[in-house]
Amino acid sequence: DTAVSQTPKYLVTQMGNDKSIKCEQNLGHDTMYWYKQDSKKFLKIMFSYNNKELIINETVPNRFSPKSPDKAHLNLHINSLELGDSAVYFCASSQPWAGQGASGTQYFGPGTRLLVL
Amino acid sequence: DAKTTQPTSMDCAEGRAANLPCNHSTISGNEYVYWYRQIHSQGPQYIIHGLKNNETNEMASLIITEDRKSSTLILPHATLRDTAVYYCIVSTDSWGKLQFGAGTQVVVTP
Repeated sequence: DTAVSQTPKYLVTQMGNDKSIKCEQNLGHDTMYWYKQDSKKFLKIMFSYNNKELIINETVPNRFSPKSPDKAHLNLHINSLELGDSAVYFCASSQPWAGQGASGTQYFGPGTRLLVL
Repeated sequence: DAKTTQPTSMDCAEGRAANLPCNHSTISGNEYVYWYRQIHSQGPQYIIHGLKNNETNEMASLIITEDRKSSTLILPHATLRDTAVYYCIVSTDSWGKLQFGAGTQVVVTP
């Protein structure tokens, strides 16, 4: 009964490859997010989708393309992987803005550890 | 969004209350205070949030000063499992754009 799940948990790949990370939530939330945590442990938001529509794009390179087939899924596709893409990627979900601070109450997945060689 | 200042690290004895301070002197009237924690190698975990009033849930209590320029997260009876990095974040309730800082590394010792 995992609330937010991600696959794969670990991803090791060569520079230049294309890879995807999948995220699913069973909380019935309308909003989903992707965060990146680099080697210095800083956690930064990358994207946010509300009901399958992109609402936040934090100047992420075009090589990163999120796709939301439905409200419960938000996948992250990365083209032409670079060494600097090595990080832990977290998916999260929440209710959208509805007062009471709901959108900031986010539930995170376990993370996908990406290593680019 | 306003920024926060937290101590880099704190130690706490198991069974004692842990009081984690956070300064957010530039907070605006519509910004909430959120607390998250991240246990090693896990995803961040929501703890509690508040706007003006003090809040309490099964995990912790949040005390916000009257001028809202600072807050304290209280873990009433710290356990070894509470060892984690704790993040204090201020944000409007607008599309959930949370900006995580460096947080406070809390180590609970036996």
